[in-house]
Amino acid sequence: NAGVTQTPKFQVLKTGQSMTLQCAQDMNHNSMYWYRQDPGMGLRLIYYSASEGTTDKGEVPNGYNVSRLNKREFSLRLESAAPSQTSVYFCASSYSGYTFGSGTRLTVV
Amino acid sequence: KQEVTQIPAALSVPEGENLVLNCSFTDSAIYNLQWFRQDPGKGLTSLLLIQSSQREQTSGRLNASLDKSSGRSTLYIAASQPGDSATYLCAVREVDTGFQKLVFGTGTRLLVSP
Repeated sequence: NAGVTQTPKFQVLKTGQSMTLQCAQDMNHNSMYWYRQDPGMGLRLIYYSASEGTTDKGEVPNGYNVSRLNKREFSLRLESAAPSQTSVYFCASSYSGYTFGSGTRLTVV
Repeated sequence: KQEVTQIPAALSVPEGENLVLNCSFTDSAIYNLQWFRQDPGKGLTSLLLIQSSQREQTSGRLNASLDKSSGRSTLYIAASQPGDSATYLCAVREVDTGFQKLVFGTGTRLLVSP
C-alpha cells in the first residue's frame, strides 16, 4: 500500500546512546516532516524538509538532526539520547493533505 | 503564533447518537484544515481535508465544515458506532516564512458505548 513507512516501531535506548529513525514515502511528495507526540502536548514539529536537499528546524529541534537522503527518505537522528526524548515519533509527507506513518515508540532509560 | 483548540477534550456518548466535535484556530490565514483520527497506540489516519476556499467536506457518516473568518471548524459524526471510538485531531496548515506548516490541536477523545 502507498504511504509512509517508519522503522523501527519500538526502541529502548540508554541515556547517551545514539540512533536513527528511518522514514520513507512512495507518494512522490516533496515535503516531509518529523513530529513528536507527548501526552498533553499534542504533536510538535521537530524538523521538516520542504524539498529534496533542504531541511529546516521546527518547534522543538534541540537534540535532533535530520537528513533528507533523497526525495523518498527523511531520517531523524538522536546523537545522545536523553530521557526527555522519550516519546512517540511520527514521520509525515504532504502534497496538499498530510499522510502520517504509524510511528516509532521510543523509550530512553 | 497559530493556536488550535479542540473542545471538548473528551466525550462519551451512547451508540446511535449524532455528535459534533469543535475546533477553533486563532489565525484565519490558513491554506487548509485537516481532521485526523488516532486509535490508541496507532498512527494518524486522515479523515477529511478542507481547502480554505471550501465550506465543507463529506465522507460517509462524517461531515466537516470550515468557517475561516471566525476561525472555526466542526466535525459532525452521524449515527455514531463503537468503532468510532478514538481520538480526533484537528490541524490547520498555515504559512510561515513561505513554507506551509501543520499546527495541531490536542484532540478530542471520543468513546461510543454499545
